[in-house]
Amino acid sequence: AQSVTQPDIHITVSEGASLELRCNYSYGATPYLFWYVQSPGQGLQLLLKYFSGDTLVQGIKGFEAEFKRSQSSFNLRKPSVHWSDAAEYFCAVGAGGNKLVFGAGTILRVKS
Amino acid sequence: DAGITQSPRHKVTETGTPVTLRCHQTENHRYMYWYRQDPGHGLRLIHYSYGVKDTDKGEVSDGYSVSRSKTEDFLLTLESATSSQTSVYFCAIRKRQKGYEQYFGPGTRLTVT
Repeated sequence: AQSVTQPDIHITVSEGASLELRCNYSYGATPYLFWYVQSPGQGLQLLLKYFSGDTLVQGIKGFEAEFKRSQSSFNLRKPSVHWSDAAEYFCAVGAGGNKLVFGAGTILRVKS
Repeated sequence: DAGITQSPRHKVTETGTPVTLRCHQTENHRYMYWYRQDPGHGLRLIHYSYGVKDTDKGEVSDGYSVSRSKTEDFLLTLESATSSQTSVYFCAIRKRQKGYEQYFGPGTRLTVT
């Protein structure tokens, strides 16, 4: 069965520092991969997606993610974090039957 | 903006009472989904629909039923609410035929006392 692991429940970074959020997936075929962000009390917003082609994908708000098939990973990165990036981030994999499987999420705290 | 609304946005109900949550979309998309979000679990799929009157179960469907009599509306019903169903419920739609990207509504916070 498909699964997604986000190893870090919480991450704290200083404003202006770089960020990397980890995501590992389990899926037998070529995956469709996503990162979503959720601000407190809000719904989920799609940050970026990988379907095929270039393994480095760019998203909104200055985020990027790199697909590494050999490591079954799809880590999210940002070179310089802003206080407004504080939120919860979810990685998801497209599973068979038109469904998504989500990781448990990583809460990002930004300290000034 | 994915054109998705959910109602109610907040609800408190008592154990054993029936509850129906509504998801409404304005863009005529075929696929609609209901998830629940709980700390430490991310989002888990309850049920989804791939057309009018066409629905299927997700990973946490026990205690829930759904109906879709019109393209724009997808209803989630808790026949007899339990405290374990206290959660935030999200509706989502899939916009494209290719790919799995989904777009989410604002959520409904349900508390069962």
